[in-house]
Amino acid sequence: KNEVEQSPQNLTAQEGEFITINCSYSVGISALHWLQQHPGGGIVSLFMLSSGKKKHGRLIATINIQEKHSSLHITASHPRDSAVYICAVGFYGQNFVFGPGTRLSVLP
Amino acid sequence: KAGVTQTPRYLIKTRGQQVTLSCSPISGHRSVSWYQQTPGQGLQFLFEYFSETQRNKGNFPGRFSGRQFSNSRSEMNVSTLELGDSALYLCASREQLYNEQFFGPGTRLTVL
Repeated sequence: KNEVEQSPQNLTAQEGEFITINCSYSVGISALHWLQQHPGGGIVSLFMLSSGKKKHGRLIATINIQEKHSSLHITASHPRDSAVYICAVGFYGQNFVFGPGTRLSVLP
Repeated sequence: KAGVTQTPRYLIKTRGQQVTLSCSPISGHRSVSWYQQTPGQGLQFLFEYFSETQRNKGNFPGRFSGRQFSNSRSEMNVSTLELGDSALYLCASREQLYNEQFFGPGTRLTVL
């Protein structure tokens, strides 16, 4: 069965802290997305990864294909980063399977 | 380019009714996928259409159906609504299969 796990489930941080959210999956994949959803809001795709590392502003995403693991890092966190972060994995020949999400609260 | 649009944004229906949701992909995108998000089950894949053909289907009952038109716009239909169908329905489009998906804002359906 294709499963996607995320950790932690919930995370509270102080403004300015470095944050890491992890995603692990069970079998080989074609691509992995990190998604962001603000309370009551829609979903925004932050990154799509199939290998290596990507950076947008204060956000960095990495993926290790051999270890079946990806991380989302937020540097210098800000209250506006408070949201649910979801890992979505595309398995070969199938559509996306989503992780349960990590709820992040950044306190001022 | 305009982003993915979904209409309506909010909808209230009663049990037993049917509903049709619409998704307009980004111009040039040929794939449209539909997802359901509920507090209990999280995000789950419904189906994907590519060039008017259903390519993949998730594990949902036959009450959930969809179609895609020649201009790549897609509709999703749910018949005989149940309380458990209350959810945020998201669509996402991509240019080709295995490209990055871009999500629409969603349609929030409430079934009373």
